[in-house]
Amino acid sequence: GAGVSQSPRYKVAKRGQDVALRCDPISGHVSLFWYQQALGQGPEFLTYFQNEAQLDKSGLPSDRFFAERPEGSVSTLKIQRTQQEDSAVYLCASSLAGGVGQPQHFGDGTRLSIL
Amino acid sequence: AQSVTQPDIHITVSEGASLELRCNYSYGATPYLFWYVQSPGQGLQLLLKYFSGDTLVQGIKGFEAEFKRSQSSFNLRKPSVHWSDAAEYFCAVALNSGGYQKVTFGTGTKLQVIP
Repeated sequence: GAGVSQSPRYKVAKRGQDVALRCDPISGHVSLFWYQQALGQGPEFLTYFQNEAQLDKSGLPSDRFFAERPEGSVSTLKIQRTQQEDSAVYLCASSLAGGVGQPQHFGDGTRLSIL
Repeated sequence: AQSVTQPDIHITVSEGASLELRCNYSYGATPYLFWYVQSPGQGLQLLLKYFSGDTLVQGIKGFEAEFKRSQSSFNLRKPSVHWSDAAEYFCAVALNSGGYQKVTFGTGTKLQVIP
């Protein structure tokens, strides 16, 4: 498949557990974005990578959230000590470059439910 | 900071009828504007975008949008709606932030199409 792939599609965890969400961007895409979409809301920016460099993490809601992209391709969003308010759909998007003219291609998301 | 308002949370139209989804933005300079569509359990798909030039932009699936600077609006239209258009629609504005686009989404309008 040529699109952005996210796994798992669904994740259920108990409060306090750590979770890891994976994003496989489109091959060759330099830019990678993570968004959080709460129920009934639009996606909200979490963080941005250009290759392996995390250039903006201003949207991460707390220090329990951590993202990495060590080799400039696959990215992982990790949430430590999950809380109920972390329940949301987490979307990953990639683009060929980061400039405003470049469209972002979205994955289908990971739906995270914290019990 | 930029913001996007979609005043209609939910709209119902009959198949074959025309459609207009409203979007208002707040941003000091000329904005970069987008419309995305999200089907249940799916990621976001780009319908169309406006950066500059002709204020009436054509997108995929027969959609168009008109940028009106005086009204700070970017409304989405379609002359004849098909049942497959039932989905959630998000308006978004992008800010050029240090060489990449930081996108702010509206809260979405859910479209229901009745036969």
